[in-house]
Amino acid sequence: RKEVEQDPGPFNVPEGATVAFNCTYSNSASQSFFWYRQDCRKEPKLLMSVYSSGNEDGRFTAQLNRASQYISLLIRDSKLSDSATYLCVASGGSYIPTFGRGTSLIVHP
Amino acid sequence: DAGVTQSPTHLIKTRGQQVTLRCSPKSGHDTVSWYQQALGQGPQFIFQYYEEEERQRGNFPDRFSGHQFPNYSSELNVNALLLGDSALYLCASSRGTTNEQYFGPGTRLTVT
Repeated sequence: RKEVEQDPGPFNVPEGATVAFNCTYSNSASQSFFWYRQDCRKEPKLLMSVYSSGNEDGRFTAQLNRASQYISLLIRDSKLSDSATYLCVASGGSYIPTFGRGTSLIVHP
Repeated sequence: DAGVTQSPTHLIKTRGQQVTLRCSPKSGHDTVSWYQQALGQGPQFIFQYYEEEERQRGNFPDRFSGHQFPNYSSELNVNALLLGDSALYLCASSRGTTNEQYFGPGTRLTVT
């Protein structure tokens, strides 16, 4: 079982839709969690940190469920510009950051 | 405020050769991590440098080595290149070893 798993997608949604991604992690000692966005052939860009209490930034909401060992990302009112690959990261007590393979999102008109 | 910079942008090498990639962290950051990203995969952690020492290492062979300089910049060296080393090599910097990381644009390495 991979340490961090994501559904690769693609998720095809119309503009204005709400879409949610989940990411499961296997290392229960994981302490820090992040979501990154990566455009084709570009570097990952930090989207948001994921706190135990949840985190909201405009149209984006991230949640952490430690009991079930997953983090989620909710995007409301999708824009064409949200089309990208979304990567989740978990790091454990020894802080070796582990990325998922990413979930591809395509927002169409 | 300059972000993370990497050089070169692209590189083509032959099997068996050696390569050095360079990274300058974002201003105010003291920690540099290196990642390898194959097509269609997430970045794989190679190692992390803090206070000029390797602090953490992922599952990569000793052919992969690095260095951090007093100004926090870093190098990644790969010896005896294999075809499978072809990938995007990303550098990420952070303030401290456990905080949010910011990535550079990467070096695309092709081994022929």
